[in-house]
Amino acid sequence: EAQVTQNPRYLITVTGKKLTVTCSQNMNHEYMSWYRQDPGLGLRQIYYSMNVEVTDKGDVPEGYKVSRKEKRNFPLILESPSPNQTSLYFCASSFSGTGRQPQHFGDGTRLSIL
Amino acid sequence: GENVEQHPSTLSVQEGDSAVIKCTYSDSASNYFPWYKQELGKRPQLIIDIRSNVGEKKDQRIAVTLNKTAKHFSLHITETQPEDSAVYFCAASRMRFGAGTRLTVKP
Repeated sequence: EAQVTQNPRYLITVTGKKLTVTCSQNMNHEYMSWYRQDPGLGLRQIYYSMNVEVTDKGDVPEGYKVSRKEKRNFPLILESPSPNQTSLYFCASSFSGTGRQPQHFGDGTRLSIL
Repeated sequence: GENVEQHPSTLSVQEGDSAVIKCTYSDSASNYFPWYKQELGKRPQLIIDIRSNVGEKKDQRIAVTLNKTAKHFSLHITETQPEDSAVYFCAASRMRFGAGTRLTVKP
């Protein structure tokens, strides 16, 4: 089954404790991205990757890191999480980064930073 | 960069009525306009999309119209049903999303 898989689905942690949210897709998609969703603000892009070893900042990259060492994986890293990063996070992928194909979303990761 | 504005932020209709959600965009180079539906607690899923060489596209009760000159596109849902209740997001090209519209269909 074609899918984007995120882990964990839920995480409660404390300020400053490094965490990684994994994202994997099995559709051989070139383009992957991370979004955060906050009430009233819609989906805001954090980082995106056009292909392996190619990453770039989205609209709200501060406090986040990503890597794209393999085509299928695109982990999101919070080196020193803070309460303002409490949010619902979605990973997404699409066939290419031309902006002319739909994105396939993972099921989301709800992060709570205390 | 691209800016996408979506209106209204909330919309309540009676079952059977039509619902219209409108988005405007700023980048005239945008050429792909998808709409996503997000049910409560679930991931956004594509429901319909339109490319810039087409003015209208329909899929059963759902249609999208595009006005490139005015830089706006709209989602039309006819004969709404309670299961249409969800948050709807528009997007333009490089995946800049609108803020979303919460649609409630009252039985």
